[in-house]
Amino acid sequence: KQEVTQIPAALSVPEGENLVLNCSFTDSAIYNLQWFRQDPGKGLTSLLLIQSSQREQTSGRLNASLDKSSGRSTLYIAASQPGDSATYLCAVKAASGAGSYQLTFGKGTKLSVIP
Amino acid sequence: DTAVSQTPKYLVTQMGNDKSIKCEQNLGHDTMYWYKQDSKKFLKIMFSYNNKELIINETVPNRFSPKSPDKAHLNLHINSLELGDSAVYFCASSQTGPGIFGYTFGSGTRLTVV
Repeated sequence: KQEVTQIPAALSVPEGENLVLNCSFTDSAIYNLQWFRQDPGKGLTSLLLIQSSQREQTSGRLNASLDKSSGRSTLYIAASQPGDSATYLCAVKAASGAGSYQLTFGKGTKLSVIP
Repeated sequence: DTAVSQTPKYLVTQMGNDKSIKCEQNLGHDTMYWYKQDSKKFLKIMFSYNNKELIINETVPNRFSPKSPDKAHLNLHINSLELGDSAVYFCASSQTGPGIFGYTFGSGTRLTVV
């Protein structure tokens, strides 16, 4: 059974710092990995999707890497801003049998960027 | 244009009542999902529907019944609501296929059972 772990559970940094969020998964037979952002009381916004054949994806100040064989992904945020404060969720897509797919989430990292 | 829309956004109801949450997607995806986010913010799959057919049914009480009239809609009916059903319920959609297809989530329905 796929399990996704995110470390740290919470992180507080001063504005302007670069930071790294970590995600690990137990079964490397994944199709892709998605990083989401969730603001308090809001839904999930997809930030980056990395296919299993890719090593990294970039969007603006965000860079996500994937090491499928070791079951790890990192989300790098450059020059953090107070507006980056949110919970960041990592999720992996894998086969769940009978031709279907399932997205399994980690418990998230709650990021606070202090002005 | 909202890609995945859920209604209502908030739902407060008494124990024992029956309620429904509606979900619609305009992305042309062939698979829709219901996820539950508990008080500890952990997201867990409940149901998956592909082309109106139930694919995944995790260990969810049978008081919960998903209904998909067509591949753009997936509704969640909950009978005899209990206090422990209080959570945020998210609808999502995706296209069947491997790596290039991600998931799109709705904004959630916060259910409070009193």
